[in-house]
Amino acid sequence: DQQVKQNSPSLSVQEGRISILNCDYTNSMFDYFLWYKKYPAEGPTFLISISSIKDKNEDGRFTVFLNKSAKHLSLHIVPSQPGDSAVYFCAASGGGAQKLVFGQGTRLTINP
Amino acid sequence: DADVTQTPRNRITKTGKRIMLECSQTKGHDRMYWYRQDPGLGLRLIYYSFDVKDINKGEISDGYSVSRQAQAKFSLSLESAIPNQTALYFCATSRGGLAGGYNEQFFGPGTRLTVL
Repeated sequence: DQQVKQNSPSLSVQEGRISILNCDYTNSMFDYFLWYKKYPAEGPTFLISISSIKDKNEDGRFTVFLNKSAKHLSLHIVPSQPGDSAVYFCAASGGGAQKLVFGQGTRLTINP
Repeated sequence: DADVTQTPRNRITKTGKRIMLECSQTKGHDRMYWYRQDPGLGLRLIYYSFDVKDINKGEISDGYSVSRQAQAKFSLSLESAIPNQTALYFCATSRGGLAGGYNEQFFGPGTRLTVL
């Protein structure tokens, strides 16, 4: 049972435009959400996170939105740059379990 | 610079062989994790350890075992490798408690394992 789902395996965006990556979850006990970015031949690196007590968190070009009623979060990248081309994973934790549950990942390609 | 390292980076082995993947960290973190990544499935947790005397099974522990030799070292073993264990394996670390941010994990570069 996939508790964290990223339904878009890939996304292609023009440089300078907005990239929106989506993630859905099913476990209502999740109370902390993270986005990781992964380049080929490297491990995932932490990008941005949000607690369930917030509905938005912003860090430079990256903003994460959380809609608890819909069990949905999204990552916005504005403006998109070629270096943003990578695989993005969303992850969730909560219910006292000190573990992360990851989504399948979305491959983002930024076109010049 | 503080880091999470994994050895080997690439390994090809045959069905039935025993293989060990090693992870070392210089971050001083208490918690260590082993994941595997498969296309379309994301990262799945195999085992995790919150300190040297603590070992816990993750989502997909069958066919794997681990050893936490020290705070800085966490190894993953495949006692008898099979082809469907072909995957990319990642080690990760995190701080204990709330001091270092809620569950932010730092990943090693990965080991690509192929079982023929």
